[in-house]
Amino acid sequence: EVQLVESGGGLVQPGGSLRLSCAASGFTFSDHYMDWVRQAPGKGLEWLGRTRNKPNSDTTEYAASVKGRFTISRDDSKNSLYLQMNGLKTEDTAVYYCAREKSYSQYSSGWYVYYYYMDVWGKGTTVTVSS
Amino acid sequence: DIQMTQSPSALSASVGDSVSFTCRASQSISNCLNWYQLKPGKAPKLLLSNAATLQSGVPSRFSGSGSGTDYTLTISSLQPEDFATYYCQQSYYTPWTFGQGTKVEIK
Repeated sequence: EVQLVESGGGLVQPGGSLRLSCAASGFTFSDHYMDWVRQAPGKGLEWLGRTRNKPNSDTTEYAASVKGRFTISRDDSKNSLYLQMNGLKTEDTAVYYCAREKSYSQYSSGWYVYYYYMDVWGKGTTVTVSS
Repeated sequence: DIQMTQSPSALSASVGDSVSFTCRASQSISNCLNWYQLKPGKAPKLLLSNAATLQSGVPSRFSGSGSGTDYTLTISSLQPEDFATYYCQQSYYTPWTFGQGTKVEIK
């Protein structure tokens, strides 16, 4: 069964740090880009960033709201994705999800269009930032 | 960043009804549009990718359409398990952005 399980959430004081983990199973983790998404209480979904896989340079991208504070990493030998969160603020309180990203390309009107989507998600882990 | 606007933010419907809701992007996104279903305490579920491709295992009562900046998700014959919040997401370029969601409630 394809599965993602997040862990590491909890209560942390403003300014503190927390490291979330996402354990993948049931698929070849190293083949995929992986993403982090969060949902604050009463709010919608917010994409935080992604890590590409090694054949695609193993690089990361971040949303502006977390760039410089959050770091995404992966360990393909452990089938695991991580989110290191530093300088936490009360507005970082949310449920944090990891998601597998897939893509395919389609030739249309003279060029290739790349379609990306997050097809497998975990159930999330809750982070509360409060004093 | 590409802004995504969903409407309505909520709607009430009965089992068996057909409902549609829309998602508008701030610029053309060439069908790079995905739809997700969220239920409290559960993993988000991908319903459709590239605007209209139904994912494996998703019932055929879900369908998507649209082009350019405007997209629609339709649920024909609502079932009890369909009462949830639905989000659109553009994947034209990063940062990926979501609409604010449409909550489908029981009338």
